[in-house]
Amino acid sequence: AQTVTQSQPEMSVQEAETVTLSCTYDTSESNYYLFWYKQPPSRQMILVIRQEAYKQQNATENRFSVNFQKAAKSFSLKISDSQLGDTAMYFCAFMKQGNTPLVFGKGTRLSVIA
Amino acid sequence: DTEVTQTPKHLVMGMTNKKSLKCEQHMGHRAMYWYKQKAKKPPELMFVYSYEKLSINESVPSRFSPECPNSSLLNLHLHALQPEDSALYLCASSLYAVQETQYFGPGTRLLVL
Repeated sequence: AQTVTQSQPEMSVQEAETVTLSCTYDTSESNYYLFWYKQPPSRQMILVIRQEAYKQQNATENRFSVNFQKAAKSFSLKISDSQLGDTAMYFCAFMKQGNTPLVFGKGTRLSVIA
Repeated sequence: DTEVTQTPKHLVMGMTNKKSLKCEQHMGHRAMYWYKQKAKKPPELMFVYSYEKLSINESVPSRFSPECPNSSLLNLHLHALQPEDSALYLCASSLYAVQETQYFGPGTRLLVL
């Protein structure tokens, strides 16, 4: 079974600084998909970024970028120029090919401090 | 438009009540999902519907009964719930049930007394 590990239960960062959230996963699959979701205190889960395992190029969405290391099974999220609105729980998630469920990590609670 | 809507936002019910949660999307997605989320935990998958047919049931107790009347609508019927069923219930949808990004609704916060 696939597992997703987020080793940092809580993190904090100063406004305008950069922070990196770590995620590792365990799978024997070669083709799969990785996601970062953000869940602010309002509780709506929002997609931050998605990465296909067959793509070597790291995905980027504005201030959010990932460092995807397939051999190391690592998928970290970098947030640049952190904003107060980035305060949220961040979940890393894995999906293998086929009609299979999303597997979530336990989450990292990020606080952006003014 | 990546909007999934859920009603009601909050629900309080007794253990003998029958209630329903509603989820709607108009993005043309053919897969819809129910998740249960406890505080400070990741979502746990309950059900997956693909093309209006139940494709995954993660061993959920029968007091939870899903229904997909059409491709835009997903219901979760609740009956004889227990206090430990109190949680945030999230609905999600994706274009297909395979290899597609899931978009989540805001959730219904359920309290069972």
